Amino acid sequence: AQSVTQPDIHITVSEGASLELRCNYSYGATPYLFWYVQSPGQGLQLLLKYFSGDTLVQGIKGFEAEFKRSQSSFNLRKPSVHWSDAAEYFCAVDYTNAGKSTFGDGTTLTVKP
Amino acid sequence: SQTIHQWPATLVQPVGSPLSLECTVEGTSNPNLYWYRQAAGRGLQLLFYSVGIGQISSEVPQNLSASRPQDRQFILSSKKLLLSDSGFYLCAWSVLAGADTGELFFGEGSRLTVL
Repeated sequence: AQSVTQPDIHITVSEGASLELRCNYSYGATPYLFWYVQSPGQGLQLLLKYFSGDTLVQGIKGFEAEFKRSQSSFNLRKPSVHWSDAAEYFCAVDYTNAGKSTFGDGTTLTVKP
Repeated sequence: SQTIHQWPATLVQPVGSPLSLECTVEGTSNPNLYWYRQAAGRGLQLLFYSVGIGQISSEVPQNLSASRPQDRQFILSSKKLLLSDSGFYLCAWSVLAGADTGELFFGEGSRLTVL
């Protein structure tokens, strides 16, 4: 069965520092890959997605992610974090192309002033 | 533009009582619809999905059911709630063609507390 691992439950960074959130997925084939962000008590919003092609994808709010097939990873990065980036971040994979994504347990980002 | 609405936003129910959460989508036709549940500190678990009116697939055995009486309406129900049904329920829709393939568009969620 497909699974998604986000190794870091909680990350704290200082405002202006760089950020990398890790995501690893299981299974052999290359899935559709997504990163979503969730503010407290809210629904999820898509940051970026990877289907095929260029392995470095750009998303909204200055985020980017790189797909590495050899490592089964899809890590999320941002060069300079803003206080408004504090939220929970979810990596998701979809092997079915039916919108039936499997989500990781999320990484909570705290931004220090 | 497309929008998705969920209600109620918050619900506190006693054990054994019924449940009905509603979700409607506007601005798109024949969407795929989904109910996800998010337990505290955990990711999302897919409960049900629907590819059309009256077509419901259940992903996990549970105390809940779903229905799709209209193209853009998706309802999550229970006849008798259990304590374990507490959680944050998210409705979502997607399309399976074009640039947005597979992307999920989420509602604001419904927080259910069963006491």
